[in-house]
Amino acid sequence: GQQLNQSPQSMFIQEGEDVSMNCTSSSIFNTWLWYKQDPGEGPVLLIALYKAGELTSNGRLTAQFGITRKDSFLNISASIPSDVGIYFCAGGNTGNQFYFGTGTSLTVIP
Amino acid sequence: SQTIHQWPATLVQPVGSPLSLECTVEGTSNPNLYWYRQAAGRGLQLLFYSVGIGQISSEVPQNLSASRPQDRQFILSSKKLLLSDSGFYLCAWSEGHRLDGYTFGSGTRLTVV
Repeated sequence: GQQLNQSPQSMFIQEGEDVSMNCTSSSIFNTWLWYKQDPGEGPVLLIALYKAGELTSNGRLTAQFGITRKDSFLNISASIPSDVGIYFCAGGNTGNQFYFGTGTSLTVIP
Repeated sequence: SQTIHQWPATLVQPVGSPLSLECTVEGTSNPNLYWYRQAAGRGLQLLFYSVGIGQISSEVPQNLSASRPQDRQFILSSKKLLLSDSGFYLCAWSEGHRLDGYTFGSGTRLTVV
């Protein structure tokens, strides 16, 4: 199955720093999703994007649906220790399954 | 509200033994159901998905099989486990045509020894 490319693969940052990650695909999607997976748990939906160019926030998290519809971006401002985890993007189209990214592992150093 | 249950949470099985992981969804009907495997805490590999009772689509040929005996029940099985079957198995559901994404269960950590 198709897999989306996420970068960076891993990040080690100091508490309080901002974080940026992105996700790219060779296919066009009409929906982009961002999930966070805490260690030993299932992923949980953070943000859903439904329109090219859309910018959506959820607290300190902001995600954007790329204009080309082949990419998406997630930013976390003022990181805190509980932001630790793996972040996954997912792209999908109406009536079809979602495809997940390879994941970005985030470590926040207090 | 809808909930998804997955069990067991952890499992240690010897090579060659059978496997049965169960996933059930409550509060919805005719959900799409999915089984994913995650190796070494990294990417999600789609193993099977189902859009209805008895309808199973396999994404990756392997030592595993899936069944959907009831509308809200999805089972992942193996007749003989391999060492390479170790991993974190996640069940997920979604509502048909909606694009809200998937809701995941809490996962099963399987270690084959």
